[in-house]
Amino acid sequence: KAGVTQTPRYLIKTRGQQVTLSCSPISGHRSVSWYQQTPGQGLQFLFEYFSETQRNKGNFPGRFSGRQFSNSRSEMNVSTLELGDSALYLCASSYWTGVETQYFGPGTRLLVL
Amino acid sequence: GENVGLHLPTLSVQEGDNSIINCAYSNSASDYFIWYKQESGKGPQFIIDIRSNMDKRQGQRVTVLLNKTVKHLSLQIAATQPGDSAVYFCAENGSGNTGKLIFGQGTTLQVKP
Repeated sequence: KAGVTQTPRYLIKTRGQQVTLSCSPISGHRSVSWYQQTPGQGLQFLFEYFSETQRNKGNFPGRFSGRQFSNSRSEMNVSTLELGDSALYLCASSYWTGVETQYFGPGTRLLVL
Repeated sequence: GENVGLHLPTLSVQEGDNSIINCAYSNSASDYFIWYKQESGKGPQFIIDIRSNMDKRQGQRVTVLLNKTVKHLSLQIAATQPGDSAVYFCAENGSGNTGKLIFGQGTTLQVKP
């Protein structure tokens, strides 16, 4: 079974721009969670989507948003990029929501200049 | 508050020795814990998990121990190999039945040949 895939793998943007990242979960998985990973803050939860509904949201500004499609694929969007948004953005999927093992993709490395 | 902390940022062991990586969690409502391994340039890879109704769980060369009394989690790796060199994260599900995982800061495991 194919793992979680994320596109693009690398991205360079400038301040003020917006970016959309994509995540395709493992086949059959319905929950998709997004995390931001930085050297200073570690892995931080952004949000989770299950059956096209956002179930939980982390402590990030409204510039960070996401959505999930009927095929469980998910996208996250960051508007008005700031230098501090440079990070590795990780997507994880699980079959269900709640107490479930999450499997991570390789991440999208975003650099904001 | 939400905090999953690791006792040691870096652990250096000789090849063939056993490794023990520790983790302290603060949310007594957490009932699911996962250990992940992250190699450079990759997303976190699932190693082993444990639910709060268990004290110990064994996998291939790995064992996770859970002590709910002192809110402590440990990962034991038997006969450590160079391929085990990576950053190890513990994660807890916190309170609430959602797909939000709270991660510790990570421990770097260095295996000396």
